Amino acid sequence: QVQLVESGGGVVQPGRSLKLSCAASGFTFSSSAMHWVRQAPGKGLEWVTVMSHDGRHEYYADSVKGRFTISRDNSKNTLFLQMNSLKAEDTAVYYCGRGHHTHTSTVSYWGQGTLVTVSS
Amino acid sequence: EIVLTQSPGTLSLSPGQRATLSCRASQSVPSSYLAWYQQKPGQAPRLLIYGASSRATGIPDRFSGSGSGTDFTLTISRLEPEDFAVYYCQQYGRSITFGQGTRLEIK
Repeated sequence: QVQLVESGGGVVQPGRSLKLSCAASGFTFSSSAMHWVRQAPGKGLEWVTVMSHDGRHEYYADSVKGRFTISRDNSKNTLFLQMNSLKAEDTAVYYCGRGHHTHTSTVSYWGQGTLVTVSS
Repeated sequence: EIVLTQSPGTLSLSPGQRATLSCRASQSVPSSYLAWYQQKPGQAPRLLIYGASSRATGIPDRFSGSGSGTDFTLTISRLEPEDFAVYYCQQYGRSITFGQGTRLEIK
């Protein structure tokens, strides 16, 4: 079955960097758009970024544009999120998700998330 | 940016009752690209509805979505105990944004 396992979260100081990973299995990763969505503690969902199945197209929320970079390694079924210049407001659980096969901008499968805390 | 406003913020109902959740967009959502998700405490969200009215794989038929333009509705025909959760709408017609959520609680 579809499995998405995020890793790389932790506590980081403001202004520093962190890189998240998402290991995928149980589906054809190279055929799927992939997303990152975050959720601040006790708050709602915020879409962060998406990358097309072939890595040719990527889109970002304005709140992270220029600071975060999504990438993927289709040979290793892994999605990444490089987060630079982190701010306190980036504190959240970060979920990776598989895009729906036809409505690729929706997230049909989700990982369990990894917590990123930005604090001095 | 399309802003989604969900109402009510909290809905208190009993099992067996019908639930109607609203999602209003600040501008028309192109092609009815509107989805609904369910999230239970401590869990990741689950996709329920996409394209405003299509049920995702494995979603019971008591869940239905409707609407177009700026007004969308998620209806749960007869509430089961496992349906009490937070529900989010998402538009993906112009970038991607989520609503703030509606909490469905047991009365």
